[in-house]
Amino acid sequence: GENVEQHPSTLSVQEGDSAVIKCTYSDSASNYFPWYKQELGKRPQLIIDIRSNVGEKKDQRIAVTLNKTAKHFSLHITETQPEDSAVYFCAASDVFRGGGGGADGLTFGKGTHLIIQP
Amino acid sequence: GAGVSQSPSNKVTEKGKDVELRCDPISGHTALYWYRQRLGQGLEFLIYFQGNSAPDKSGLPSDRFSAERTGESVSTLTIQRTQQEDSAVYLCASSTSPYNEQFFGPGTRLTVL
Repeated sequence: GENVEQHPSTLSVQEGDSAVIKCTYSDSASNYFPWYKQELGKRPQLIIDIRSNVGEKKDQRIAVTLNKTAKHFSLHITETQPEDSAVYFCAASDVFRGGGGGADGLTFGKGTHLIIQP
Repeated sequence: GAGVSQSPSNKVTEKGKDVELRCDPISGHTALYWYRQRLGQGLEFLIYFQGNSAPDKSGLPSDRFSAERTGESVSTLTIQRTQQEDSAVYLCASSTSPYNEQFFGPGTRLTVL
C-alpha cells in the first residue's frame, strides 16, 4: 500500500517569513494529493489539493508543487501570519485504483506542527 | 448547509465493552470514510464506502472493527471488545466523489479505561 512521509515534524518560523513542508509518497499510481490544516481540537480542513496532471497550484499565500518523477510534493506558505499556526497534514490517494468498486481512503503523513513566532 | 455530524462527541467505556459510533454525512455525498487519530498523531484510514459498491475495508486494524452504511446515508463504526489501544478520536468524512474534497466531521473521542 501507499506510504507517505512528511517533514519536518515541527517547523517554527518568524511571522512574515515563508514555510515549506515536504512529503514523499511510495505508490507511483497515486494521483490526488490534498493538504489539510488542523487547528488544536478541531477537525481537519482542506486548504489546497493538487492532481497529478499539474505540477503546481497556487491559492493566495498557499502553493503546492508536485514532482511525480521524484514522488514528492510540497506545501509553501508565504507571508506567514499567526493564524497559520496549526498542524498540517499531507495525503495521497489513487482514486481510480478500481478493482471492484472502491478506492482507498487517503494515506496521511504524520503531520507538521507549524509555529508562527510573533 | 449542514456539515458532517458525528455522535457521540465523547465516549468513555470499559475495556471489553462494545461501542458504536455514528456518522451522518453531508446529504448527497456518495463517498464516506472513517479515520482514526491517536493523540498527537496523523490520521489513519480505516474504511471507505462509495455508493452501493462493496466497502474498502483495507484499513481496519482487526476483526473487532466493523462498519456499515445504509445506502448513501448514515454509517456506524462498531468496535467490539474494546482495548485501551483503541482510545483515539474517530473521524468521519464524506465527499461527492473520491476525487473531491473530503469534509470531516467533528469526531468522536473514545476513551477505553
